[in-house]
Formats: sequence, structure tokens, C-alpha cells
Amino acid sequence: NAGVMQNPRHLVRRRGQEARLRCSPMKGHSHVYWYRQLPEEGLKFMVYLQKENIIDESGMPKERFSAEFPKEGPSILRIQQVVRGDSAAYFCASSPSPQETQYFGPGTRLLVL
Amino acid sequence: AQKVTQAQTEISVVEKEDVTLDCVYETRDTTYYLFWYKQPPSGELVFLIRRNSFDEQNEISGRYSWNFQKSTSSFNFTITASQVVDSAVYFCALSEQWGNEKLTFGTGTRLTIIP
Repeated sequence: NAGVMQNPRHLVRRRGQEARLRCSPMKGHSHVYWYRQLPEEGLKFMVYLQKENIIDESGMPKERFSAEFPKEGPSILRIQQVVRGDSAAYFCASSPSPQETQYFGPGTRLLVL
Repeated sequence: AQKVTQAQTEISVVEKEDVTLDCVYETRDTTYYLFWYKQPPSGELVFLIRRNSFDEQNEISGRYSWNFQKSTSSFNFTITASQVVDSAVYFCALSEQWGNEKLTFGTGTRLTIIP
């Protein structure tokens, strides 16, 4: 059973460009969570999605950030007009249902030049 | 609001020594879950353990053991006979029940095992 997949593993963008981060949950998991880890810090929750629904986006910045988890295909975290402060590791986790253990992907390291 | 505190920022021990990583949490819920994750130098997050608030039994898994004490709101992690491969950042995390499934992480403890 493949684990949580994230791609790309590393992404470099210039200020003002868009970043798209993809997450494929583990087979049988329909709950996806995105977290951000700034350098030398712990992980901070961003958004929780089920298929076609955003359940909790309380940790998502109000501007430039959006997330989706369509009926088919991976979950996407989209950052528009990136700034240097967006440089971080973005982790996706999945679980089969709420309150079940969240298993994490390898993360996407975003570097904004 | 929920909060997780890992007061030890960095710990270094010599190989084969035992080491305990502290975790103190705050929550208003009576039902909650506690977790430990390991982040090795390669950067991924590895799940170690999940505990619910009604189960205060200590757990042992090989060289790893966890001590959950509700009275002190602590969920400490001990590695016995440490090995170089244990070098990593260890995160403690908390989730509350029903409607707040997100994990709240501590800031992590960087553990270095000196050969």
C-alpha cells in the first residue's frame, strides 16, 4: 500500500509566480490535511479537506492561498503571487476518517527567490 | 485553545544512553488524542504513536516507551539504549475530538546521538 505521495518534492519559484503543490492520499483515505513548516519551526495546520469539500480552513492565510480536493485526482494547494515568506516545507497528511491517525507525505520544499 | 509545549529545544546524548523527551499539553476537551512523530534528517514525518485520553497505560515498543500522565498533562517519550539512527527532530502533537481534527504540534526537540 503506497503511502501519501506529494509532488514535486522541491519547487523553486520567483516572487510573483504561482506554486501548485499536489498530494495523493493513501489508498482508502478520503481526508486530507495540509500543514506548513517554516524553517526551524513546528508544523502549523492550514486546511482540512474531504472529497470536494473544505471542512476547516482556519489555518489558511486569507489571501493568495487556496486548496481543493476534487472528486478525481490529487488534492492541490495553490499559492498565488508567492513571496519570500512563503518559503517553507508543505506537508500533506491523510486519514481514512476523522480522528484516525494522520499519515504524512514526504513534503514539498518551496523556495521563493 | 489547545497547546503543546516541548520545552527541550535540543538534546545531545552519547550512544547507548537513555533519553527522555518531554511533552506538556493544554486542552479543554475531556476526549483528545496525543501523538509523537519523528522527523529524521531526510525530512519526512514518521508516525510513532497515537494515544487517546482514556488510555493512561504506558506503552513500550522495542526501545521506545511512552508515559502518559493526565494529572500533569504530560506525554513523555523515552528512548532506551539510544542509537545514532535515533538522531532526528521529534514532535509531540494533540488533536481534540469532534470538529477539531487538526493536529496541534509542539515546536519539536532536536535529538542528537553522539557515536
